[in-house]
Amino acid sequence: DGGITQSPKYLFRKEGQNVTLSCEQNLNHDAMYWYRQDPGQGLRLIYYSQIVNDFQKGDIAEGYSVSREKKESFPLTVTSAQKNPTAFYLCASSIPWAGSSYNEQFFGPGTRLTVL
Amino acid sequence: AQSVTQLDSHVSVSEGTPVLLRCNYSSSYSPSLFWYVQHPNKGLQLLLKYTSAATLVKGINGFEAEFKKSETSFHLTKPSAHMSDAAEYFCVVSVIQETSGSRLTFGEGTQLTVNP
Repeated sequence: DGGITQSPKYLFRKEGQNVTLSCEQNLNHDAMYWYRQDPGQGLRLIYYSQIVNDFQKGDIAEGYSVSREKKESFPLTVTSAQKNPTAFYLCASSIPWAGSSYNEQFFGPGTRLTVL
Repeated sequence: AQSVTQLDSHVSVSEGTPVLLRCNYSSSYSPSLFWYVQHPNKGLQLLLKYTSAATLVKGINGFEAEFKKSETSFHLTKPSAHMSDAAEYFCVVSVIQETSGSRLTFGEGTQLTVNP
């Protein structure tokens, strides 16, 4: 089955620790995205990548880092610099925009990160 | 710049009655519009999308939405609610950015409750 997987489903972190969230897709999509979801705030874009070895900051990139070494993988690291990391994190992918805004994004099941 | 406003943070209906979830958008360009649904602790699933082909868009699970440019609205409707429709719904606008492809902007979500 084609889709997006995220792991782990739940993650607990002590203050001051970096943690990495996994996102893998087998949809052959070039573009991948990371969002953060907080209650009552919708989704906010952290980072996105339109192609391998390239990525751009979204609206709330501070305290996060990403890499895009393979087409199918886009891991997100939440660093100790992120002041309030407890949230639900969603990964998404889409085909390249190719001049059209019509391409919907496909979402993974999410990772819930809790800082203890 | 684009934005999305979901006019109700919570909507409660009885099973078998109509559903109306309201969305207004603002965009400098001709937008694409989407409705996504999210069940608790899950990723987002696409319900339907507007891509300028037709103003009345039919989606999955009996949902539909009508694009009204004069009112800058994209309200989501369903004739008869089912218990399984209880979830959070997001209205989303997509616009091409000059140098960074298409970006999605999410509304803050509407929580739909269906009462037996």
